[in-house]
Amino acid sequence: KAGVTQTPRYLIKTRGQQVTLSCSPISGHRSVSWYQQTPGQGLQFLFEYFSETQRNKGNFPGRFSGRQFSNSRSEMNVSTLELGDSALYLCASSWKGETQYFGPGTRLLVL
Amino acid sequence: GESVGLHLPTLSVQEGDNSIINCAYSNSASDYFIWYKQESGKGPQFIIDIRSNMDKRQGQRVTVLLNKTVKHLSLQIAATQPGDSAVYFCAENRNSGAGSYQLTFGKGTKLSVIP
Repeated sequence: KAGVTQTPRYLIKTRGQQVTLSCSPISGHRSVSWYQQTPGQGLQFLFEYFSETQRNKGNFPGRFSGRQFSNSRSEMNVSTLELGDSALYLCASSWKGETQYFGPGTRLLVL
Repeated sequence: GESVGLHLPTLSVQEGDNSIINCAYSNSASDYFIWYKQESGKGPQFIIDIRSNMDKRQGQRVTVLLNKTVKHLSLQIAATQPGDSAVYFCAENRNSGAGSYQLTFGKGTKLSVIP
């Protein structure tokens, strides 16, 4: 089975721009979660989607949003980028939400 | 603050020796824990998990121990190899309701294997 895939792998944006990241879960997995990883804050939960519905959300501002499609693929969007948004964004999938398997991440650099 | 934390930020081990990575948690209601390994430039990789109704679980060269009395987890790696060099995270997998689970990670322990 193919693992979780994320595109793009690397992104460079400037402050004020917006960005969309994509995640394809493991085949058959219906839950997709997003995490942000930074050296200072570590790994932090952003949100979780299941069957196209957001079930849970972490403590991030409204500039961070996401969605899930009927094929379980998910996207997350960050609007009005700030320097502090530079991070590795990780997507994890699971069948119903328990054991989560991570993708390689998208490294975002905001200049 | 974080409910899951690690005792040591770095650990250096001689190749062939056993490694022990520790983790403390604060939520006594936590019932599911996962260890992940993250190599440079990669996403976290699932190693092993354990539920609160177990004290010990073994995988290939790895053993996780759970002590609910003192709210402590450990990951033991037998015969450590250079390929084991990575950052190891313990994570508490909380049921947030409506079937949703949320991982809360510790800061990680960097394991360096000395050849």
